[in-house]
Amino acid sequence: AQKITQTQPGMFVQEKEAVTLDCTYDTSDQSYGLFWYKQPSSGEMIFLIYQGSYDEQNATEGRYSLNFQKARKSANLVISASQLGDSAMYFCAMREGLGTSYDKVIFGPGTSLSVIP
Amino acid sequence: DVKVTQSSRYLVKRTGEKVFLECVQDMDHENMFWYRQDPGLGLRLIYFSYDVKMKEKGDIPEGYSVSREKKERFSLILESASTNQTSMYLCASSLLGVSGNTIYFGEGSWLTVV
Repeated sequence: AQKITQTQPGMFVQEKEAVTLDCTYDTSDQSYGLFWYKQPSSGEMIFLIYQGSYDEQNATEGRYSLNFQKARKSANLVISASQLGDSAMYFCAMREGLGTSYDKVIFGPGTSLSVIP
Repeated sequence: DVKVTQSSRYLVKRTGEKVFLECVQDMDHENMFWYRQDPGLGLRLIYFSYDVKMKEKGDIPEGYSVSREKKERFSLILESASTNQTSMYLCASSLLGVSGNTIYFGEGSWLTVV
């Protein structure tokens, strides 16, 4: 069963507008971490933002913020003031089993974001 | 500068060949991971390892095996390559039990099986 769901295979956004990329997850762990990565056409994985399951505040990193709703098991990424360079694949990921032999990171299927001038 | 190095960026192999994909990290990380990335499916976990000689199956281990004889090296093995294993393979490493931005990725290995 898919543990990370990203329901938007592709998204378009106008330059300078904000966009929200959806992510829902499933885990029975109490302690886990949620990530967003950007993958441009070059293929490298670029870390954007991290949210720990016990963090009370939503994480923010510059133009990126993570809308964490623990009860709904959702971790949406909000990009404010989109730029042309934001066009890329975006992956939601979850780390579970932290510190155990099952410490692992799993990814969602990704959302392709295109920023329109 | 911390690094995860995948020895081969682009490979073309024949069906039935044995294929080795090597990954080396220089950060003394306990955890290492192998993923394959396919359009529309994202990154899928094949195998992971938290220590030398230890391995755990990920979500899609069929057709693959791994080897971790040294802490810094994690090898992915395709015993008999098939065309449906044509994909991009990504290696990653992290510290065990440390949360946050502590995961590092290699540049990827593009494998084509003909």
